[in-house]
Amino acid sequence: DAGVIQSPRHEVTEMGQEVTLRCKPISGHNSLFWYRQTMMRGLELLIYFNNNVPIDDSGMPEDRFSAKMPNASFSTLKIQPSEPRDSAVYFCASSGTGVDTQYFGPGTRLTVL
Amino acid sequence: SQELEQSPQSLIVQEGKNLTINCTSSKTLYGLYWYKQKYGEGLIFLMMLQKGGEEKSHEKITAKLDEKKQQSSLHITASQPSHAGIYLCGAPRGSGNTPLVFGKGTRLSVIA
Repeated sequence: DAGVIQSPRHEVTEMGQEVTLRCKPISGHNSLFWYRQTMMRGLELLIYFNNNVPIDDSGMPEDRFSAKMPNASFSTLKIQPSEPRDSAVYFCASSGTGVDTQYFGPGTRLTVL
Repeated sequence: SQELEQSPQSLIVQEGKNLTINCTSSKTLYGLYWYKQKYGEGLIFLMMLQKGGEEKSHEKITAKLDEKKQQSSLHITASQPSHAGIYLCGAPRGSGNTPLVFGKGTRLSVIA
């Protein structure tokens, strides 16, 4: 089975540009999580969805960040406008019903110049 | 809010030696996950512990959760270069399928 798929794997952009990160969860999983990893703060939750519905977005830094899950097999995380402090690795993870292991994608390494 | 503290932050061991990584929580844990991460890659699931006193093993890696469910340890026996990477512990915020809170990680290097 394919794992969690993320694209792009690397993104380099200039400050002020819009960035869209994409995630395809494992088929059959009903929970999807977006995390961000930085050297200073480690791995932190941004937002998570259950059955395509956003449950907790308290980790989203600012209004510049938005996330959607239009269907069970696709989610996007958008940053508009991007800033250098957004540079980080962004991970998507998915899990099934109940207490289930979260499986992580390979991440998107974002660099904002 | 819950915090997980890992120790040590980094570790350099000679190939063949045993090592232990610890993860301590500020609150009682609903469960505890161990992941391994290599640079530039995602997190690889190792083990999940849920019950106090639980112990699980996979190949040369053993993880334990203490009876009070506030501390976990990861033990590697006869370390190999393939064990090198960053080990992260993560704990669910609550019962059920909830986001994980992570420790800052332990960076392990294994030298020949």
